[in-house]
Amino acid sequence: DQQVKQNSPSLSVQEGRISILNCDYTNSMFDYFLWYKKYPAEGPTFLISISSIKDKNEDGRFTVFLNKSAKHLSLHIVPSQPGDSAVYFCAITGTASKLTFGTGTRLQVTL
Amino acid sequence: NAGVTQTPKFRILKIGQSMTLQCTQDMNHNYMYWYRQDPGMGLKLIYYSVGAGITDKGEVPNGYNVSRSTTEDFPLRLELAAPSQTSVYFCASSYSSYWSNQPQHFGDGTRLSIL
Repeated sequence: DQQVKQNSPSLSVQEGRISILNCDYTNSMFDYFLWYKKYPAEGPTFLISISSIKDKNEDGRFTVFLNKSAKHLSLHIVPSQPGDSAVYFCAITGTASKLTFGTGTRLQVTL
Repeated sequence: NAGVTQTPKFRILKIGQSMTLQCTQDMNHNYMYWYRQDPGMGLKLIYYSVGAGITDKGEVPNGYNVSRSTTEDFPLRLELAAPSQTSVYFCASSYSSYWSNQPQHFGDGTRLSIL
């Protein structure tokens, strides 16, 4: 049973526009949510996180929103840049900081 | 600034062979993890360790073994390679304490094919 779902395998956005990546989770007991970015032939790199006691966290062009009642997490990238083209994974953390990942969304930012 | 280093980067094994995937980190992190990523899927946790001498199973531990004799190293052992173990393997580390949980840092992966 998948605890973290990213229902959009891919997303294409024009440079300068907003990219919105979505993630749904099933277990309301999770208390920390993260986004990782992955380029080909590299490991995932941490992007941004949010605690369950918040509903928004910003870091520059990146904002994560958390809707606990809907068990929904989203990542907004504004403005999108070609260098943002990568696979984005949402992840939830449990005991011992173990991560459970979604299946990823491939973002392509076009010129 | 090395971070998490994995060796080898690529390997082809025959069915039934064994090998050890190496992982070392130089950030003095107490927690270390092994994940595998199959095509089109997210990363799945194989084993993890919360400190030297302490290891525990993750979601998909069958066919693997680990050890953690030092803070820096966390090797992953495949004893009898099977085609289902063809995957990309990622090692990660993080610092966690009662007061703080830091995000995991990942190595660049080992791409393993079993034929």
